[in-house]
Amino acid sequence: DQQVKQNSPSLSVQEGRISILNCDYTNSMFDYFLWYKKYPAEGPTFLISISSIKDKNEDGRFTVFLNKSAKHLSLHIVPSQPGDSAVYFCAAWLAGKSTFGDGTTLTVKP
Amino acid sequence: DGGITQSPKYLFRKEGQNVTLSCEQNLNHDAMYWYRQDPGQGLRLIYYSQIVNDFQKGDIAEGYSVSREKKESFPLTVTSAQKNPTAFYLCASSIPSGILSEQFFGPGTRLTVL
Repeated sequence: DQQVKQNSPSLSVQEGRISILNCDYTNSMFDYFLWYKKYPAEGPTFLISISSIKDKNEDGRFTVFLNKSAKHLSLHIVPSQPGDSAVYFCAAWLAGKSTFGDGTTLTVKP
Repeated sequence: DGGITQSPKYLFRKEGQNVTLSCEQNLNHDAMYWYRQDPGQGLRLIYYSQIVNDFQKGDIAEGYSVSREKKESFPLTVTSAQKNPTAFYLCASSIPSGILSEQFFGPGTRLTVL
């Protein structure tokens, strides 16, 4: 039973437009949610996080929204840039470890 | 220049052989983790360690073993009991606490079993 799901394997957007990546989870006990960005053959790098007691966190072009009642979070990237093209992983944190989704491959076209 | 190093980047082994993947960090982090990534899938937790001389099984520990004798090092052994060992292996570290801890990842080791 997958506790963290990213239902869209891929997303393609035009440069300058908004990218919205979605993530659903099943365990209401998760304390925090994180987004990581990953390039091929490299380790993921941390992007942004949100506490389960918040509903929004913003850092520059990146904003994460959390809807606890729906057990859903999303990452908004505005404006999208070609350098944002990568795989984005949603992760949920509980008891010292993270559970990752399968990732969404974002392609930003110039 | 702090970070996590994994070596080697590419590793080839014959079926039936044990192989040990190295992971070293100089971030002074207490917690270390091993993940496995298969094509089109997310990161699955193999083992993790919150403190020296202690470690716990993750979701897919069968066929793997670890040790944590030093804070800086968390080697992973892929044993011959692991039925499908070919994968991309990622090591990570973090500062464990009740507050959020982002994980810092190494560059990964791609293991191919022939």
